[in-house]
Amino acid sequence: DQQVKQNSPSLSVQEGRISILNCDYTNSMFDYFLWYKKYPAEGPTFLISISSIKDKNEDGRFTVFLNKSAKHLSLHIVPSQPGDSAVYFCAARSGSNYQLIWGAGTKLIIKP
Amino acid sequence: ETGVTQTPRHLVMGMTNKKSLKCEQHLGHNAMYWYKQSAKKPLELMFVYNFKEQTENNSVPSRFSPECPNSSHLFLHLHTLQPEDSALYLCASSQDPGGVQETQYFGPGTRLLVL
Repeated sequence: DQQVKQNSPSLSVQEGRISILNCDYTNSMFDYFLWYKKYPAEGPTFLISISSIKDKNEDGRFTVFLNKSAKHLSLHIVPSQPGDSAVYFCAARSGSNYQLIWGAGTKLIIKP
Repeated sequence: ETGVTQTPRHLVMGMTNKKSLKCEQHLGHNAMYWYKQSAKKPLELMFVYNFKEQTENNSVPSRFSPECPNSSHLFLHLHTLQPEDSALYLCASSQDPGGVQETQYFGPGTRLLVL
């Protein structure tokens, strides 16, 4: 049973608009969440993270929101750029457990 | 440049072959990981080495055999694989496994096809 779910396999957004990628989790012990971005033929690269003591973390065009009561997090990209086209993975872990639990990814396509 | 390199990038092997995947990290990290990524599925953690000691083996079949001679190098030895083992194999490293806000850095992966 998947503990981290990304229910949208793909998302298409117009350049310049906001991209919102969603992630749901089931394990209430998760306390640290990460987003990774993956281009074809490359490994995932770390994008942004958030600890469960916060509900928002921002880094430039990227903002991650965490709603603990709903067990939901989202990644907002504003404004979206063509170089943002990639697969985005959500991952989570609990406490000092270094094992990351991953979602299946959402493919983001930015249309010019 | 992620600081983690993997060779080969692509590999085709028969079910009776023996091959090895290599990973090298240039980041001075203490931990290294092997992941498997099958199409449209989450990354699956296979093995973890922390300070060259294996600390995690997630019920991986014995036809996959890891080796970590030092903290910079990690190998995955492959022996009598099955077609369902075809996948992208990713290596990662991190400085402080389990530490607060620690991050894993990935190599580009080896695309494996088992015929």
